[in-house]
Amino acid sequence: KAGVTQTPRYLIKTRGQQVTLSCSPISGHRSVSWYQQTPGQGLQFLFEYFSETQRNKGNFPGRFSGRQFSNSRSEMNVSTLELGDSALYLCASSLWPDVSYNEQFFGPGTRLTVL
Amino acid sequence: GIQVEQSPPDLILQEGANSTLRCNFSDSVNNLQWFHQNPWGQLINLFYIPSGTKQNGRLSATTVATERYSLLYISSSQTTDSGVYFCAVEGGGFKTIFGAGTRLFVKA
Repeated sequence: KAGVTQTPRYLIKTRGQQVTLSCSPISGHRSVSWYQQTPGQGLQFLFEYFSETQRNKGNFPGRFSGRQFSNSRSEMNVSTLELGDSALYLCASSLWPDVSYNEQFFGPGTRLTVL
Repeated sequence: GIQVEQSPPDLILQEGANSTLRCNFSDSVNNLQWFHQNPWGQLINLFYIPSGTKQNGRLSATTVATERYSLLYISSSQTTDSGVYFCAVEGGGFKTIFGAGTRLFVKA
């Protein structure tokens, strides 16, 4: 079974632009979560989606948004990019709530550089 | 929210040595996972262990939920064990919180 896939793997943007990142979960997984990893702040939860609905959201500004499609694939969008948005963006999927536990499996990440 | 503390922050081992990594959390949790992040950034699942003890080859983990800590044991370490080890917990708010990680370097 294929793992979580993320596209693109690398991205370079300039300040003020916007970016869309894509995540395809493991087949059968309906929950998708997004995380940002930076050297200064570590791994931080962005948001979680299930059944096309945002179940939870971390402490990030409104410039960060996401959505989930009916096939469970998810996208996240960052508008008006800032230098501080340079980070590794990780997507994870899980079988929750089809099982009682939320074991997450991560994709390889998208490394975003904002110049 | 829940606070997650990992120790030690850095660890240097000689190949073949054993080590124990610790994860303390400040409140009861629904889920707890250990991950290994390789140099390319991939987070690799090691254990899903909200309570109890599990073993997988040279690695084992124990979570004592009532005392709010988890331990990851690495025996007979190899250079390929190098990387960053993260503990991640999910509390009552259903948000996953990661610790700051333990950076491990295994010398040949």
